[in-house]
Amino acid sequence: KQEVTQIPAALSVPEGENLVLNCSFTDSAIYNLQWFRQDPGKGLTSLLLIQSSQREQTSGRLNASLDKSSGRSTLYIAASQPGDSATYLCAVSSNAGNMLTFGGGTRLMVKP
Amino acid sequence: DGGITQSPKYLFRKEGQNVTLSCEQNLNHDAMYWYRQDPGQGLRLIYYSQIVNDFQKGDIAEGYSVSREKKESFPLTVTSAQKNPTAFYLCASSMTSGRVYEQYFGPGTRLTVT
Repeated sequence: KQEVTQIPAALSVPEGENLVLNCSFTDSAIYNLQWFRQDPGKGLTSLLLIQSSQREQTSGRLNASLDKSSGRSTLYIAASQPGDSATYLCAVSSNAGNMLTFGGGTRLMVKP
Repeated sequence: DGGITQSPKYLFRKEGQNVTLSCEQNLNHDAMYWYRQDPGQGLRLIYYSQIVNDFQKGDIAEGYSVSREKKESFPLTVTSAQKNPTAFYLCASSMTSGRVYEQYFGPGTRLTVT
């Protein structure tokens, strides 16, 4: 059974710092990997989706990489801002049916 | 304005009562999903449906039921058999054709059972 782990569980950084969030998964036979952002009490906003054949995806200050063979993905946030404060979740789908398995999330606080 | 709507935002029920959570999408997506989120945790899949009139159990389906009579709608009923129903419930949808199946989420319903 697929298991997804995110480290660290919480992170606090000063504004302007570059940071990396980590996601690892136990079964490398994934279909795609998705990174989400969740603000307190809200739904999830999709940030980036990486297909299994891709190595990375970029959107603005965000860059997500995927290393299937080692079961790892990283989300890089450049020049962090207080508005980036949220919980970041990664999720993998292991088949074409697209059922997602989620990690526990990393709660990020960017201090002004 | 395309998206997923969930209602109500907050729901309060007494123990022993069934309650139905609404999820509607106008994205023309074939697949819809229900997840449960407990405080400080990731999401767990309850039920999913890839086509009208068909649905499958996810990892934690016990105590829940769903229906999919229309493409746009996928209501979730939390029955009295669900032992710990208090949680944040999220609905999602996605395409099923092509290779990229990005999931889009609704704003969620917070259910409190006392």
